[in-house]
Amino acid sequence: AQKITQTQPGMFVQEKEAVTLDCTYDTSDQSYGLFWYKQPSSGEMIFLIYQGSYDEQNATEGRYSLNFQKARKSANLVISASQLGDSAMYFCAMREGMNRDDKIIFGKGTRLHILP
Amino acid sequence: ETGVTQTPRHLVMGMTNKKSLKCEQHLGHNAMYWYKQSAKKPLELMFVYSLEERVENNSVPSRFSPECPNSSHLFLHLHTLQPEDSALYLCASSQIAGGQDTQYFGPGTRLTVL
Repeated sequence: AQKITQTQPGMFVQEKEAVTLDCTYDTSDQSYGLFWYKQPSSGEMIFLIYQGSYDEQNATEGRYSLNFQKARKSANLVISASQLGDSAMYFCAMREGMNRDDKIIFGKGTRLHILP
Repeated sequence: ETGVTQTPRHLVMGMTNKKSLKCEQHLGHNAMYWYKQSAKKPLELMFVYSLEERVENNSVPSRFSPECPNSSHLFLHLHTLQPEDSALYLCASSQIAGGQDTQYFGPGTRLTVL
């Protein structure tokens, strides 16, 4: 079974609109962390936002916020006021546990296209 | 220089060549990673070094050989590769302290094996 599921392979959104990228995860651990990364066409993976499993409030970083619904095991990324530069691949990832050999697992990604 | 750097950015090699990918992190982190990103697959973790000790090796073929001489440098030595090894190879680093050890990635090396 997939640990991280991103159901939207591609999305097209008008500039300045808000965008929600879906991510669901599967874990039986109580301690885990959720990450979102952006990968522009240049290939570099850019860290956007982090949510810990024990964090009570949704994480926010500028225009990015993470809609964390623990019971549903979802961690959707919300981008407010989208910009042309937001066009990229977006990856949701999870780290289970807190040991040094716990690895981060990535989803297959969602390609976001922002239209002018 | 800041962040995570990788050289070369692009590499074309024949199946009989030997080459090395280099990664350097300037973030003071204690863990470094090699990932492979193929066209139609999720990001695949290849190797993890934590405190310069290899803690993960995801059944990677022996034609890929990592080396971590210190906490700032990570190499991936390549020899007798196959065309299916063509991919984007990403290096990352993190500070493992339990919980949010966010990984920061380099720009990647795009490898083409002829």
